[in-house]
Amino acid sequence: EVQLQQSGPELVKPGASMKISCKASGYSFTGYTMNWVKQSHGKNLEWIGLINPYNGVTSYNQKFKGKATLTVDKSSSTAYMDLLSLTSEDSAVYYCARFEDYAYYFDYWGQGTTLTVSS
Amino acid sequence: EIVLTQSPALMAASPGEKVTITCSVSSSISSTNLHWYQQRSETSPKPWIYGTSNLASGVPVRFSGSGSGTSYSLTISSMEAEDAATYYCQQWSSYPLMYTFGGGTKLEIK
Repeated sequence: EVQLQQSGPELVKPGASMKISCKASGYSFTGYTMNWVKQSHGKNLEWIGLINPYNGVTSYNQKFKGKATLTVDKSSSTAYMDLLSLTSEDSAVYYCARFEDYAYYFDYWGQGTTLTVSS
Repeated sequence: EIVLTQSPALMAASPGEKVTITCSVSSSISSTNLHWYQQRSETSPKPWIYGTSNLASGVPVRFSGSGSGTSYSLTISSMEAEDAATYYCQQWSSYPLMYTFGGGTKLEIK
């Protein structure tokens, strides 16, 4: 069974940085790109970027360049997203999502990580 | 950047009623690149219809999808209580690489 297990909720102060993890299981981790999606205000979905776990190649939504950095650890089948210089605008739920390369859609999603940026 | 506009943003339907949600795309896209997701409260989005008209695993056959070019739709032939959720359309484009979502349609049961 494919599962994407994300790290727990975070409360961080403005200006800080933080890292969200997404541990994959039930499939070949290096065989599918991993994407990250932001959901603000319980509604708006925005694609942040993707990483190819096989070779580490990344692609970002221009809006999130400099804000998010995507990495993977192949040995533990875990994808990571670093979020930098956090502001209240970064408060949201963040999802990792596997991309199905043949039908071109996000076929499995993590449970989401809630980030709250507040002093 | 391609923009997806869903309508309506909010609607309510009675059990048994036919429901249609539309997704208007700012530039013509291939139908293979248009997908729908269902999201219930406090849960992650689930793939629902991919490539315009293909039902994802486990999706009831009362759901269907259609469209081409700049106009797409998701239809429920007969509304059931379990269909109450928010539905999002999504497209991807390769040059530049970008994935965009519609604003969502919240469907409630009357």
